[in-house]
Amino acid sequence: SQQGEEDPQALSIQEGENATMNCSYKTSINNLQWYRQNSGRGLVHLILIRSNEREKHSGRLRVTLDTSKKSSSLLITASRAADTASYFCATLGKGSYIPTFGRGTSLIVHP
Amino acid sequence: ETGVTQTPRHLVMGMTNKKSLKCEQHLGHNAMYWYKQSAKKPLELMFVYNFKEQTENNSVPSRFSPECPNSSHLFLHLHTLQPEDSALYLCASSQDPSGEYGYTFGSGTRLTVV
Repeated sequence: SQQGEEDPQALSIQEGENATMNCSYKTSINNLQWYRQNSGRGLVHLILIRSNEREKHSGRLRVTLDTSKKSSSLLITASRAADTASYFCATLGKGSYIPTFGRGTSLIVHP
Repeated sequence: ETGVTQTPRHLVMGMTNKKSLKCEQHLGHNAMYWYKQSAKKPLELMFVYNFKEQTENNSVPSRFSPECPNSSHLFLHLHTLQPEDSALYLCASSQDPSGEYGYTFGSGTRLTVV
């Protein structure tokens, strides 16, 4: 299965701290995407990183990709209470057009 | 709003009822998807439509019946559901079937089968 698996399952931090979430997958990918989901809502696309890229930034978000280890990390710097949500990685395998999602990391940022 | 609109937001139905979920996007996207999200489980892909043609049916029971009349609208018709079908049903769209530009999700329909 191409399915990405996020780690940790849950993360609880104080406002202002950095939050790091990891995603591991099993086979070669075209790209890897990170999404955020607020409780009971749809997923919001955060960042897409392609297999030939190693790092991307968007505001307070930093995503890295290590294809040799088949893993990615999402770093949220200077977290805010509004960052409280579940974060999912989705992998798009080579030759596939179907993304597969993991179970997500539940992030709680305490004010 | 993301540009993908799902209705209704909440639905409670009995096991003998027939209901439909609706998804609409005006982003000019050519691919649309139905996902099921249950607690503590990864998102489960149900159906994929590319240019109005169904290209993926992920072994979904026949009590779920999708319909894509045009590239902007997607329906999920429900009949004789089971309590374990209770979940958040998410619709998504993408610019093209390759998914190279990410996916835009609706807010979902929270379905409860009683």
